[in-house]
Amino acid sequence: EDKVVQSPLSLVVHEGDTVTLNCSYEVTNFRSLLWYKQEKKAPTFLFMLTSSGIEKKSGRLSSILDKKELFSILNITATQTGDSAIYLCAGTNYGGSQGNLIFGKGTKLSVKP
Amino acid sequence: DAEITQSPRHKITETGRQVTLACHQTWNHNNMFWYRQDLGHGLRLIHYSYGVQDTNKGEVSDGYSVSRSNTEDLPLTLESAASSQTSVYFCASSESTLAGTTDTQYFGPGTRLTVL
Repeated sequence: EDKVVQSPLSLVVHEGDTVTLNCSYEVTNFRSLLWYKQEKKAPTFLFMLTSSGIEKKSGRLSSILDKKELFSILNITATQTGDSAIYLCAGTNYGGSQGNLIFGKGTKLSVKP
Repeated sequence: DAEITQSPRHKITETGRQVTLACHQTWNHNNMFWYRQDLGHGLRLIHYSYGVQDTNKGEVSDGYSVSRSNTEDLPLTLESAASSQTSVYFCASSESTLAGTTDTQYFGPGTRLTVL
């Protein structure tokens, strides 16, 4: 059965800290890995990764995929209180359910002032 | 601006009643999805559709049904609501191109359903 596991499940840091969120996956016919940020409502898209070793960056957030070791990390530097959210990781695969997202349970990040 | 909307945003119903949650997108996306989100479980796929008249069961489809009569809408029906279906429900959509289905899904604002 395909699965995505995120760690830690929750994390509390102070403003200015750097955090690393982890996502490991076991997805048959793996195609891509996506990161979403969820504040009080809908998940919003952050990154999609398909190739190993190529870092995607958006401001203070960056992410990279390792297809050999089957994991991805999401880094947030110089954290701000606005980064407080649940970060979701999801895998997709090729095949009959192509395009369907297999979600991990999320990492709840709390950034204290 | 294109968007995806859900209604109602909050719903309280009683056990045994039929409930329909609406999802409407104006991106003209072929693919639409319904998820439920519960503490400790994350987002779980209920049903999905790759186009008009196409529907498929997801991981947790028991007690739910969908129909796709046009591109814009994918209503989710709870045939006989149960307390275990108390949850937050998200609708999402993604694009299909000639190269195939794209993976990035865009989510609606969610519907909080309480079954008493």
